[in-house]
Amino acid sequence: GNSVTQMEGPVTLSEEAFLTINCTYTATGYPSLFWYVQYPGEGLQLLLKATKADDKGSNKGFEATYRKETTSFHLEKGSVQVSDSAVYFCALSVTGTASKLTFGTGTRLQVTL
Amino acid sequence: DADVTQTPRNRITKTGKRIMLECSQTKGHDRMYWYRQDPGLGLRLIYYSFDVKDINKGEISDGYSVSRQAQAKFSLSLESAIPNQTALYFCATSDNRQGSYNEQFFGPGTRLTVL
Repeated sequence: GNSVTQMEGPVTLSEEAFLTINCTYTATGYPSLFWYVQYPGEGLQLLLKATKADDKGSNKGFEATYRKETTSFHLEKGSVQVSDSAVYFCALSVTGTASKLTFGTGTRLQVTL
Repeated sequence: DADVTQTPRNRITKTGKRIMLECSQTKGHDRMYWYRQDPGLGLRLIYYSFDVKDINKGEISDGYSVSRQAQAKFSLSLESAIPNQTALYFCATSDNRQGSYNEQFFGPGTRLTVL
C-alpha cells in the first residue's frame, strides 16, 4: 500500500535558522507529492507540490525535491520566520486512486525569536 | 469569501446523539472528501464522493455516514456519537480535470467533542 513517514516533532528553531523536515514514502504506483501546512486554528493549505522525479516544488521560500531513488521529498527553508510556526504534512497521491491523499502524521514547527 | 466552508466550526455533544457536519464549496469541483484529524495520526479519510451519485468509503468509515445533496454540498453524519469520535474534521475538494494532480482544497475544520 501507500504510506508516508515524516520526522516526529516538535521541531523548535530560532528565527533565521535553516529548516529541514524529512519525508519518505512508499507507493504502489507513480505518486505526486505534496507538502501541506496547517496554521493554528486553520485548515490545511497546499504549500508546494511535485509531480515527477527530480521536480522541485517551491513556495514562500520553502523547497522540496522529488527524489525517486531515495523515495524522499524533504522540505527545506533557508531562513525560517516566526510566522512559519505551523504543522507541516507530507502527502502523496497515486494516479488512478481516485485522488485520494495519503498523509504523514505531521510535524509541528515552532520558531522563536 | 472562503471556497470551502464547514458548519459548525465547533460542536460539543453527548454520547448517543446524532450529529451532522456540513460542507459547502464554491470551487465547482466534482470530488469531495471528509477526513478526521487526531493528534499523532495525521489525517485519515472517512468518505469520498466523485459526484452526487458516487459515494465511497475511506479507511475509517465505521460509525459515519455521508450525503451528497448536490455537487456543492457534502454532509457527514454521526448516527450515534461516541467519545472516540472526538476529533477535528475536515472537508476537502478536488478537481478531476487532467493536470490537476489530485491537489485538494480544505475547509477550516469542525472541532467536535463528544462527552
